[in-house]
Amino acid sequence: QVQLQESGPGLVKPSQTLSLTCTVSGGSISSGSYYWSWIRQPAGKGLEWIGRIYTSGSTNYNPSLKSRVTISVDTSKNQFSLKLSSVTAADTAVYYCAIRELGNYYFDYWGQGTLVTVSS
Amino acid sequence: AIQLTQSPSSLSASVGDRVTITCRASQGISSALAWYQQKPGKAPKLLIYDASSLESGVPSRFSGSGSGTDFTLTISSLQPEDFATYYCQQFNNYPGFGGGTKVEIK
Repeated sequence: QVQLQESGPGLVKPSQTLSLTCTVSGGSISSGSYYWSWIRQPAGKGLEWIGRIYTSGSTNYNPSLKSRVTISVDTSKNQFSLKLSSVTAADTAVYYCAIRELGNYYFDYWGQGTLVTVSS
Repeated sequence: AIQLTQSPSSLSASVGDRVTITCRASQGISSALAWYQQKPGKAPKLLIYDASSLESGVPSRFSGSGSGTDFTLTISSLQPEDFATYYCQQFNNYPGFGGGTKVEIK
């Protein structure tokens, strides 16, 4: 069973870039079987899909965040990463990595989530 | 973008109650709807996909129905471990989630 673990700074200053990594275990990110996604959730609020990457490197982003988001994959480390630039307090949230199997639209596996706070 | 509207946003119920949560899509999405359960401090957990297919390992007291624009998640007999927030999710160009329904103890 695939397991996901997010990591990265828990505190980011306004206007800076948020950077997170999701480490995959129990499966290969090179398998070509999944889309690798980032989803976030502000405290007490709902879920927002940020974007996804495929093994080939092809990406798709939420239009509302597209100008600030970059998702990349490092197959040698079995990791994929999120960069969100020009952050504000509104980007404070729990960030999850999650995967959906090719051909599916729903998310089968999720990481435990990591809280990122944007504050000076 | 297709919007998902869940109702109610919260409800209070007792153990043993039958609970129904509704998710309405702003456009028809056939049966491409999933339901998740989220407990405090935890990641969402997939319960149902394709509107009515039960994910492996999910108790049979959970069921889903609907197609097109109107969907329901039903818990036939609420158990203590079912108190949580429930989200519906669709995919149209990109994934989108409903606003959530918090099921609280009465």
